Amino acid sequence: DTEVTQTPKHLVMGMTNKKSLKCEQHMGHRAMYWYKQKAKKPPELMFVYSYEKLSINESVPSRFSPECPNSSLLNLHLHALQPEDSALYLCASSQELYRQTAPLHFGNGTRLTVT
Amino acid sequence: ILNVEQSPQSLHVQEGDSTNFTCSFPSSNFYALHWYRWETAKSPEALFVMTLNGDEKKKGRISATLNTKEGYSYLYIKGSQPEDSATYLCAFASGSARQLTFGSGTQLTVLP
Repeated sequence: DTEVTQTPKHLVMGMTNKKSLKCEQHMGHRAMYWYKQKAKKPPELMFVYSYEKLSINESVPSRFSPECPNSSLLNLHLHALQPEDSALYLCASSQELYRQTAPLHFGNGTRLTVT
Repeated sequence: ILNVEQSPQSLHVQEGDSTNFTCSFPSSNFYALHWYRWETAKSPEALFVMTLNGDEKKKGRISATLNTKEGYSYLYIKGSQPEDSATYLCAFASGSARQLTFGSGTQLTVLP
């Protein structure tokens, strides 16, 4: 069983909808990440939170809005998405942001389809 | 933009065959190299984190080597089994970057 839990597993939304993706970890990790992955492409980093503060935003459009309510939870709020935003959204955590010798722990992902 | 290349993109092997694939990354400013296994409908799982030139890591039938001077890492699977079927991702960390850069992965299918 994965130690990082993502919900929902699948999401279909229209371009005018507002939805949220959720991620939870209880490993005491202080860095949490959102990645976007399209088929046959590498996972692309979107956002990183370190100690509940947004540390990295990889120039992501404002229709994606991250939130870190506490050290165990990470949300991604979606609004007015485009069909090209359809992808697998992966959440991950690690002990600390700059400790790149520690592995990432991933969730199973949310498969998002924008119609 | 850092370039991390994996080859081949996909391969099919017979059960019992041994196989290997490559991850290429920039040879300058190396910090760490990660390998992940990603089975369908599951989450990517860390296999190895490698930091030293010449490093060799092993986990069961899977092993990896690292050459930071020439910028490549090999992943070997000995005696492939159907349960080894997965996408294998590598990810590179440079000394100046704050996050990992992933390759596109090698999709391995082991035929029974």
